[in-house]
Amino acid sequence: DIQMTQSPASLSASLGETVSIECLASEGISNDLAWYQQKSGKSPQLLIYAASRLQDGVPSRFSGSGSGTRYSLKISGMQPEDEADYFCQQSYKYPFTFGSGTKLEIK
Amino acid sequence: EVQLQESGPGLVKPSQSLSLTCSVTGYSITSNYWGWIRKFPGNKMEWMGYISYSGSTSYNPSLKSRISITRDTSKNQFFLQLNSVTTEDTATYYCARLFNYGSYVFDYWGQGVMVTVSS
Repeated sequence: DIQMTQSPASLSASLGETVSIECLASEGISNDLAWYQQKSGKSPQLLIYAASRLQDGVPSRFSGSGSGTRYSLKISGMQPEDEADYFCQQSYKYPFTFGSGTKLEIK
Repeated sequence: EVQLQESGPGLVKPSQSLSLTCSVTGYSITSNYWGWIRKFPGNKMEWMGYISYSGSTSYNPSLKSRISITRDTSKNQFFLQLNSVTTEDTATYYCARLFNYGSYVFDYWGQGVMVTVSS
């Protein structure tokens, strides 16, 4: 299975701050990487697919980048509603696997 | 709008079978792929498997001997059965649509159902 190592496990940011979350795949995944946001008590919401494509309706302060084995999610200007868990998922090979998640809080 | 809703018992005894239903509205399950994902206490997430528009299935090898995903197209529902459960299967179970945007992603999710395995 492809292992997805996500960092950091937790992060606190001030309003307006830019934050980055990373996922490192155990082998190349050819940009088959998605990012999800999960707010407390809610179901996950798709933010980014194909490493860098913004899902419809997602604010433009969210962006994704990366290639090969290393990918990142950036939030440019932390907002109160961005407090949530974030996780990555690869779909390059079966079984699909997820990162361990990042808990993002407001400082 | 595509909506998914899980239902099923919240408590299952060890060695028994876990059975969940995902009811889909706003989209036919005879299109695309429909999956089950679970989130363990401690936040680890695991893709369990999916059923396709044609009824074919794919399962996570870690579960292959215990899992079955089926469907009822007349009710636009699909189902998860996990046999011989242990306390390690305690998790929140989600159903989701798996869509190919050039890579496969889960773009619509149910709200999740928490299942505890305990005697």
